[in-house]
Amino acid sequence: KAGVTQTPRYLIKTRGQQVTLSCSPISGHRSVSWYQQTPGQGLQFLFEYFSETQRNKGNFPGRFSGRQFSNSRSEMNVSTLELGDSALYLCASSLGGGQFLPGANVLTFGAGSRLTVL
Amino acid sequence: AQSVAQPEDQVNVAEGNPLTVKCTYSVSGNPYLFWYVQYPNRGLQFLLKYITGDNLVKGSYGFEAEFNKSQTSFHLKKPSALVSDSALYFCAVGSVEEYGGSQGNLIFGKGTKLSVKP
Repeated sequence: KAGVTQTPRYLIKTRGQQVTLSCSPISGHRSVSWYQQTPGQGLQFLFEYFSETQRNKGNFPGRFSGRQFSNSRSEMNVSTLELGDSALYLCASSLGGGQFLPGANVLTFGAGSRLTVL
Repeated sequence: AQSVAQPEDQVNVAEGNPLTVKCTYSVSGNPYLFWYVQYPNRGLQFLLKYITGDNLVKGSYGFEAEFNKSQTSFHLKKPSALVSDSALYFCAVGSVEEYGGSQGNLIFGKGTKLSVKP
């Protein structure tokens, strides 16, 4: 079956602009998480969505936002881009589920969207 | 605060020799632990996980990891390294008690670059 698809793969923006990244999860997966990966900070959790609801949020400013649609596809948006927002943005999907099974649902990651802010 | 430490930025191993990539963690409550691998320009791929049960976990591509509760460690091992194992390895931890029902919120280590020379 198809994996997690992220678009676009590469993009270049200038400071002050905004960007929207898209993530299509594996069919049947209802949970989508977003991570920011940078050489200095490693992987940092942005937010998680399940059934169109944000279930958890990391420690990022309000310029970072996301949403999930009824088909589980997710988008994240970054407004008023800063140089420090340059990073690889990774999306991961998992089955999710109404009953939490600790660690049972492995995250499957997409290839990422590499954002460069000039 | 919850955290994951991968004390070595890089590990160098000769092909055919055993390899160990170290990981220690700190979470309140019961941890669940993962190892992921990342190849250049790719997302993260799942290797193995520990939730409960046997402390020795076997995963993909001949990798295994041992959960040690007293030392709060989850080191990744392989008896005989291959050149193709060269990649960036991430340890990640989650906790039911800390993250509630969120399955997608994991704390990742900074990563260890594994280099296997022929």
